Amino acid sequence: GENVEQHPSTLSVQEGDSAVIKCTYSDSASNYFPWYKQELGKRPQLIIDIRSNVGEKKDQRIAVTLNKTAKHFSLHITETQPEDSAVYFCAASMTGNTGNQFYFGTGTSLTVIP
Amino acid sequence: DAGVTQSPTHLIKTRGQQVTLRCSPKSGHDTVSWYQQALGQGPQFIFQYYEEEERQRGNFPDRFSGHQFPNYSSELNVNALLLGDSALYLCASSLGGSNQPQHFGDGTRLSIL
Repeated sequence: GENVEQHPSTLSVQEGDSAVIKCTYSDSASNYFPWYKQELGKRPQLIIDIRSNVGEKKDQRIAVTLNKTAKHFSLHITETQPEDSAVYFCAASMTGNTGNQFYFGTGTSLTVIP
Repeated sequence: DAGVTQSPTHLIKTRGQQVTLRCSPKSGHDTVSWYQQALGQGPQFIFQYYEEEERQRGNFPDRFSGHQFPNYSSELNVNALLLGDSALYLCASSLGGSNQPQHFGDGTRLSIL
């Protein structure tokens, strides 16, 4: 099955700096890659996603890039703010005739230092 | 617009007991997936229901079973509970076919004593 690895496990940045989180996946059939933000004690919230027919997607301060050849995708957060502090999860999924299974990374705990 | 709701929020059980967790999907969604999230880990896929049938299953024993009702709500049942089943159980809903964005509920925190 699919294996998703996520790095780093913890990340501290100064407010205003950029943060980058990287994930790799093993199955070239994966074609959908969402990112979730989970604050302590709260539900994972979808913040951005990308499909395999697109190389990059941006939404205000958040962007995701996908390299299908290398089988890796990254989350970029610019101009970080203290409220960006949370655990971020990447995931990979592939379309199937009988539904789809999402494989999550192990998470990155991001701390933005004011 | 109601989001994904789960009940109960917390539950304490003892080893060997059985538990049922419930999930109502986001309005308009017809697909429900269940995940187990251990402390400090990413969600692990248990199974997915669509049109009242289990259509995908992760690497979980058959002590874990589920059901989807005609109104798209779903239940997760776990039999013969083990200490290792202690976790946050998340329900996520999505619309129709594969690879649609999944929206999560707040989860049920299950503690096994």
